Amino acid sequence: QSVLTQPPSVSAAPGQKVTISCSGSSSNIGNNYVSWYQQFPGTAPQLVIFENNRRPSGIPDRFSGSKSGTSATLGITGLQTGDEADYYCGAWDSSLRTYVFGTGTKVTVL
Amino acid sequence: QVRLLQSGVEVKRPGASVRVSCKASGYTFTTFGVDWVRLAPGQGLEWMGWVSPSSSSPIYTQKFQGRLTLTSDTSTSTAYLELRSLTSDDTAIYYCARDYFSDGFLWGPDYWGQGTLVTVSS
Repeated sequence: QSVLTQPPSVSAAPGQKVTISCSGSSSNIGNNYVSWYQQFPGTAPQLVIFENNRRPSGIPDRFSGSKSGTSATLGITGLQTGDEADYYCGAWDSSLRTYVFGTGTKVTVL
Repeated sequence: QVRLLQSGVEVKRPGASVRVSCKASGYTFTTFGVDWVRLAPGQGLEWMGWVSPSSSSPIYTQKFQGRLTLTSDTSTSTAYLELRSLTSDDTAIYYCARDYFSDGFLWGPDYWGQGTLVTVSS
């Protein structure tokens, strides 16, 4: 049972914007950095956002991250068919003293 | 460039143990530790634990306490996962990932290995 909750799926047409929420608590998102990962079927996860809102080199600026209180959000603008994947949030949990992932969200481009 | 190269597919019987390796290159191995994460069929990512480069004070999630051992060999820049008393519920793809522990917390995995499929079946 994950301590970070995400919607199972989101969808939008090409060119539109989607947002994915990640809800946690003060022991994880509220007081620690949030990362976001993109995973295509059969491949390893890839980091797309770290330290709440920073993009690694090579990740397009269509991807953005934000955090407010105990929730975080990943935004993808100018949606492309190549963005269809599973997305996970992650954060350190200071109470559990472990890293935790969200439940995962499948992005579908209509 | 940073690379994490994992060992190959494993097929095990229930009750057996499995050992997966993760060889790092392209960065200073002693600066970062290694997370182990698994993805079971139809499930989401599950963080299992983290090991420092020196293997001191590994962090395990409670679910795997007593059944999981994470180690690291600085002489070969390789991290290892050993999981014992396997059941069919342990069938999954196992990933290693680089992670940094500082200021009392893990900063989150950044570079990932390609994954190792472990199948547990009688």
